[in-house]
Amino acid sequence: DAGVTQSPTHLIKTRGQQVTLRCSPKSGHDTVSWYQQALGQGPQFIFQYYEEEERQRGNFPDRFSGHQFPNYSSELNVNALLLGDSALYLCASSHIGQGRQGSSVGELFFGEGSRLTVL
Amino acid sequence: GQNIDQPTEMTATEGAIVQINCTYQTSGFNGLFWYQQHAGEAPTFLSYNVLDGLEEKGRFSSFLSRSKGYSYLLLKELQMKDSASYLCAVYRLGTYKYIFGTGTRLKVLA
Repeated sequence: DAGVTQSPTHLIKTRGQQVTLRCSPKSGHDTVSWYQQALGQGPQFIFQYYEEEERQRGNFPDRFSGHQFPNYSSELNVNALLLGDSALYLCASSHIGQGRQGSSVGELFFGEGSRLTVL
Repeated sequence: GQNIDQPTEMTATEGAIVQINCTYQTSGFNGLFWYQQHAGEAPTFLSYNVLDGLEEKGRFSSFLSRSKGYSYLLLKELQMKDSASYLCAVYRLGTYKYIFGTGTRLKVLA
């Protein structure tokens, strides 16, 4: 059973460029969330996709956009890169309804991340 | 609000027991999660509490008090491989968000 896979694992860009990161969720999962993790910080929620639509968004500018495909895989796009966008970008998948203790909320399964460096 | 507070760093000795606390102020609480993250790696799920009380899972246990907005992760029989960051995360019902704390970096010394 393949877990969450992300690509690329590492990439270097320069300011002003654009980047696309890709994610395939764990088998059986239909929901994909993207997080940004700066060094020494916890993951910050960017947005979540479900049924090919952005269902919720964190406090990130419109330069951050995404997409979910019919096979549940997802892309994160960042335009006009800034130095401050350098971080580990984590994709996490989940499935509503696979919770515990009577909850419909299950845990997130993370991919290994894409480490973006903006020069 | 959705503040989640954890200690920044902790140090413990191999074989000992350590308790990592997490406090949160969030409305619509629906679950509290603990993740382990080794340097340069993705977070991995450890434990999850929805109801008050203790959840035990091998050397790891997690406790939740919803009325106090408080949780802790208890690690027993510490091993060197337990040196990692431990992230507390809260799920807010209806928001689809898992809000993470900044993490607690645990160093296990020989």
